[in-house]
Amino acid sequence: GDSVTQMEGPVTLSEEAFLTINCTYTATGYPSLFWYVQYPGEGLQLLLKATKADDKGSNKGFEATYRKETTSFHLEKGSVQVSDSAVYFCALSARDSNYQLIWGAGTKLIIKP
Amino acid sequence: DTAVSQTPKYLVTQMGNDKSIKCEQNLGHDTMYWYKQDSKKFLKIMFSYNNKELIINETVPNRFSPKSPDKAHLNLHINSLELGDSAVYFCASSQGGHANTEAFFGQGTRLTVV
Repeated sequence: GDSVTQMEGPVTLSEEAFLTINCTYTATGYPSLFWYVQYPGEGLQLLLKATKADDKGSNKGFEATYRKETTSFHLEKGSVQVSDSAVYFCALSARDSNYQLIWGAGTKLIIKP
Repeated sequence: DTAVSQTPKYLVTQMGNDKSIKCEQNLGHDTMYWYKQDSKKFLKIMFSYNNKELIINETVPNRFSPKSPDKAHLNLHINSLELGDSAVYFCASSQGGHANTEAFFGQGTRLTVV
């Protein structure tokens, strides 16, 4: 079945460092891909998404490109801030899974001042 | 107005008790979900309802029973609570039938069973 694998955390960086959180997926067909963010004590919220190959989703300085050839959707940010500390979830949605969101395990990001 | 609201935010209760968590969405969505998040932040879907009908019922104990009185509400009732039920429970909603639809989450209910 469809699945999402993302790098284990926690990922600890200093402020202004470059961030990459890896995400790869397995799916039949052409899924849509998502990154959600969960700030401490809150629910998940959509950070960005991409619906077809080579699309780039972006929001709040974060970017991710839908790479069909490598089945990846890595999250990047050029300069992280302390306020980016959160748990980040990669997810996919596809017709073959009845559009149910399939989630990665989450990656905790800690940014130190 | 909060898009997806769930109550209570915190729930501390003794083993063996029965408790309910309520969820309401004002987005007009036709699909609602319950998720369980463990202490390692792993997110597991429990139930999904589309237009008040059960669509997904993952392997959860039958002590957990969802109830959807209408499209805007999906409540979760838990009987005979156990220590292992301690977790954060999230309600979410989306407009079903589309791959690129966004899910909206409530703030979560932190359940602690003592």
